[in-house]
Amino acid sequence: ILNVEQSPQSLHVQEGDSTNFTCSFPSSNFYALHWYRWETAKSPEALFVMTLNGDEKKKGRISATLNTKEGYSYLYIKGSQPEDSATYLCALNTGTASKLTFGTGTRLQVTL
Amino acid sequence: NAGVTQTPKFQVLKTGQSMTLQCAQDMNHNSMYWYRQDPGMGLRLIYYSASEGTTDKGEVPNGYNVSRLNKREFSLRLESAAPSQTSVYFCAILRVGEAFFGQGTRLTVV
Repeated sequence: ILNVEQSPQSLHVQEGDSTNFTCSFPSSNFYALHWYRWETAKSPEALFVMTLNGDEKKKGRISATLNTKEGYSYLYIKGSQPEDSATYLCALNTGTASKLTFGTGTRLQVTL
Repeated sequence: NAGVTQTPKFQVLKTGQSMTLQCAQDMNHNSMYWYRQDPGMGLRLIYYSASEGTTDKGEVPNGYNVSRLNKREFSLRLESAAPSQTSVYFCAILRVGEAFFGQGTRLTVV
């Protein structure tokens, strides 16, 4: 069983704060690292799929970096808004036809 | 999500009853997955199917069986439901390296 860890488990910030989460994974057999945003009562939705060491991706106020050699990825949210409140999941893919192993998620709550 | 259809959305079972969760995709992709989501535990893989005719166990397969009927359909069966199987179940496919999820099935076993 692959060990994909996320920290912190939960986070509570105020509107306007910037924040970041960590995803750690075994660096062997790496194929891709995914980030998903998951709102309560909805299905997870993809934010980023990252494959190359040193990759940096950005979507609006959200960005992510990847270090495959040391086995971690960071997700950053700049100027958090209440609508950013969700659980953020990372997932490791070890091959084109392989399973996707998820971390336990970081639950973010942004208040006014 | 468009393209991945999961039924039913809600179900209550008595301990020992059986049921099948259905998942169908119209995206013509090979890999399909069944996950369960429990508080504080994220998404845990039950079974997956890399292609039609093949299935493999995931992290938590006990108490479940699956069937990849064809490329389009991947079903999850609980033969004798237990309260520990109370969870939210998600079917997913991998398309161009990105997972697309069904709407989820909230199952309660009493």
